[in-house]
Amino acid sequence: ETGVTQSPTHLIKTRGQQVTLRCSSQSGHNTVSWYQQALGQGPQFIFQYYREEENGRGNFPPRFSGLQFPNYSSELNVNALELDDSALYLCASSPRPTGNTEAFFGQGTRLTVV
Amino acid sequence: AQTVTQSQPEMSVQEAETVTLSCTYDTSENNYYLFWYKQPPSRQMILVIRQEAYKQQNATENRFSVNFQKAAKSFSLKISDSQLGDTAMYFCAFMSLTGANSKLTFGKGITLSVRP
Repeated sequence: ETGVTQSPTHLIKTRGQQVTLRCSSQSGHNTVSWYQQALGQGPQFIFQYYREEENGRGNFPPRFSGLQFPNYSSELNVNALELDDSALYLCASSPRPTGNTEAFFGQGTRLTVV
Repeated sequence: AQTVTQSQPEMSVQEAETVTLSCTYDTSENNYYLFWYKQPPSRQMILVIRQEAYKQQNATENRFSVNFQKAAKSFSLKISDSQLGDTAMYFCAFMSLTGANSKLTFGKGITLSVRP
């Protein structure tokens, strides 16, 4: 078990709604990355946060946004939910944003959009 | 941009036997890491093994070892003495050491079933 926790574990939302997912990073880790994993696929990088600033973004529209707090925990916000947003959302924390670093993953939030 | 390809969607192996999972990748970079992650039904990604591209020696971790062929851009995982607990999805992943962040690029994964 890693020290990365995500909440909630499961969530059902209606198309058009907004959702906030939360992630607590492992102690001593200042970097958090978010990934979207569609069913049967590998995770896709959404963005990374380092010291409360966005530090790189994947190919996701602006309705995917994030925050990182002074304690390095993070939120992923998705506005105007679409059916294709249904996926497992994974958070990973690491001790630094680049270089020789290992990412520790949480157990994910399963989002279903109906 | 980097790509990671896992062309085998599923594999099955008898308990105590050896199995090899394949992965190829494409990159123009020289400094990077390659990883194999395991994702059991609990969904949590667990690091199995990692390989630094500048090291010629293949990484090993107990029953897990890799065959890293840098010129061929191939990175396969060998699991020896397979155990029932090895049943999971396995993902190959790439991380650049020269980028601005430590994002991982994953393959589509392979479902491994270990038969008793």
